[in-house]
Amino acid sequence: GIQVEQSPPDLILQEGANSTLRCNFSDSVNNLQWFHQNPWGQLINLFYIPSGTKQNGRLSATTVATERYSLLYISSSQTTDSGVYFCAVNLVSNFGNEKLTFGTGTRLTIIP
Amino acid sequence: ETGVTQTPRHLVMGMTNKKSLKCEQHLGHNAMYWYKQSAKKPLELMFVYNFKEQTENNSVPSRFSPECPNSSHLFLHLHTLQPEDSALYLCASSHNPGLAGVEQYFGPGTRLTVT
Repeated sequence: GIQVEQSPPDLILQEGANSTLRCNFSDSVNNLQWFHQNPWGQLINLFYIPSGTKQNGRLSATTVATERYSLLYISSSQTTDSGVYFCAVNLVSNFGNEKLTFGTGTRLTIIP
Repeated sequence: ETGVTQTPRHLVMGMTNKKSLKCEQHLGHNAMYWYKQSAKKPLELMFVYNFKEQTENNSVPSRFSPECPNSSHLFLHLHTLQPEDSALYLCASSHNPGLAGVEQYFGPGTRLTVT
């Protein structure tokens, strides 16, 4: 099956720093989503980004589908950015349905 | 608020109990999903329902029994669970899945502990 790898697994930064999170995937995919999981478990949609670049405030993402990777950029980090960031890809299953395959996540800790 | 709600948020049950998890989406979507997140393992898909029909069962043990009475509601019936089934159970919904792919939205999850 498809493999989704995220790096780094853990990242500790000072407040105000910038960071880049990477997601590599092993096969062609239709689409890709980035999520932030807060300490209570809620998955918050950050980007739906099958290709190209998108920006939302201090966050931006770029997916290069032909090279099978995506990057999430966080600028001017705040303590509220702490949590686990997941990349997930859509792969059409044999039944023609969507199934998200998740990476193992990057745990980001922002220190005041 | 993502438009997907789950109840209960926390559940503790014994191995001989029967309980149900409930998910409701208010986004007008047609597809609903159950995912499981265990400690130290990636989130994994359990079931997919599209227009109330189950279209994917990811080799889930029969002690987990899903039910989708309509496109807005999804249940996960639990019986004779094992301690290793303790996990965060997440529900998601999306528009009608197709070849082009769709964005999924997640509920807050039910944290289940089996004693």
